[in-house]
Amino acid sequence: EPEVTQTPSHQVTQMGQEVILRCVPISNHLYFYWYRQILGQKVEFLVSFYNNEISEKSEIFDDQFSVERPDGSNFTLKIRSTKLEDSAMYFCASSEALRGRFGANTGELFFGEGSRLTVL
Amino acid sequence: TQLLEQSPQFLSIQEGENLTVYCNSSSVFSSLQWYRQEPGEGPVLLVTVVTGGEVKKLKRLTFQFGDARKDSSLHITAAQPGDTGLYLCAGVNTGFQKLVFGTGTRLLVSP
Repeated sequence: EPEVTQTPSHQVTQMGQEVILRCVPISNHLYFYWYRQILGQKVEFLVSFYNNEISEKSEIFDDQFSVERPDGSNFTLKIRSTKLEDSAMYFCASSEALRGRFGANTGELFFGEGSRLTVL
Repeated sequence: TQLLEQSPQFLSIQEGENLTVYCNSSSVFSSLQWYRQEPGEGPVLLVTVVTGGEVKKLKRLTFQFGDARKDSSLHITAAQPGDTGLYLCAGVNTGFQKLVFGTGTRLLVSP
């Protein structure tokens, strides 16, 4: 069964260092997302990506964050200068473009197993 | 900002008991999804409800979408230890750019 894969599963970094989290979405999916979950807290939306550009981003996704789809298969999240509060589980997700009522995408989001980022 | 509040936050019950988890918002969603998340893993979709008033059943799980499409509930009948996990509702906004997750309900079912 196709799945979203993420690497690394766990990364430990020093504050101020750059981090790149990688994701390989399901191959025929067109929408890509990054979410994060701080330990014990809710799953928070970071950014959605469609047609090679950001379609929406949250207030968390500031100038320190960027996303890229460099080669048609990988989808990366870069944090330029990590802060302690960036420590979290980062989930990549992808979905097909299934238009339901009101034009909304009601397709299932398939999540990867997450990349745990620890900033020291 | 669209907020989805879930209640209760934590629920610890015995095997065989019934339970209901609620997901409420002041916002209208074009559809609502329920996910289950196990420790160290990503959320896994259980169901999507689209029409106001819709009821969907998945074995012992019954999902309902409110008539006004602002709230939803998940009812589990005769809970089993395998139902233990974090249950998340998530709303899809009109025009869908993102899925907004609820605050989560952590369920523990003891044998």
